[in-house]
Amino acid sequence: GENVEQHPSTLSVQEGDSAVIKCTYSDSASNYFPWYKQELGKRPQLIIDIRSNVGEKKDQRIAVTLNKTAKHFSLHITETQPEDSAVYFCAASISGGGADGLTFGKGTHLIIQP
Amino acid sequence: KAGVTQTPRYLIKTRGQQVTLSCSPISGHRSVSWYQQTPGQGLQFLFEYFSETQRNKGNFPGRFSGRQFSNSRSEMNVSTLELGDSALYLCASSLVGLAGSETQYFGPGTRLLVL
Repeated sequence: GENVEQHPSTLSVQEGDSAVIKCTYSDSASNYFPWYKQELGKRPQLIIDIRSNVGEKKDQRIAVTLNKTAKHFSLHITETQPEDSAVYFCAASISGGGADGLTFGKGTHLIIQP
Repeated sequence: KAGVTQTPRYLIKTRGQQVTLSCSPISGHRSVSWYQQTPGQGLQFLFEYFSETQRNKGNFPGRFSGRQFSNSRSEMNVSTLELGDSALYLCASSLVGLAGSETQYFGPGTRLLVL
């Protein structure tokens, strides 16, 4: 089955700086890669996703890049703010998370230092 | 639209008991997936239901089961509870969940503590 590795497990950055979280996946058939943000005690919330037919997607301060050849994808957050502090999960799936489910990375605890 | 809802939000059970958790998807969503979240193992896929049929199952023992009703609401059941079943159980809904990269929306979860 699919295996997703996520690094780093903890990331501390100064407010205003950029943060980058990286994930690798094992199954070349995976075609959908969402990123979820989970604040303490709350549900995971989708922040951005990318399909395998595009290499990059941007939404304001958040961007995701995908390298299908190397089987890795990354989350980039620019101009970080205190409210960006949370645990971020990457995931991969073949069918889009339905029948085959999402395989998640172990998460990255992002800490924004004031 | 109302989001995904789950009941109950918190549960305390003892080893050997069984438990049933409920999930109501977003209106119009027909696919419901269940995940277990623990500090050690992270988020793990349990199973997915669509049109009252289980389409796929993750790597969990048979003590974990589920079902879906004609209104797309879903329940999951855990029998003969073990201490290691203590976790946050999340359900997620999507429109149809098939190829096409359907976005999944998560509920708030049910936090289960097994004593």
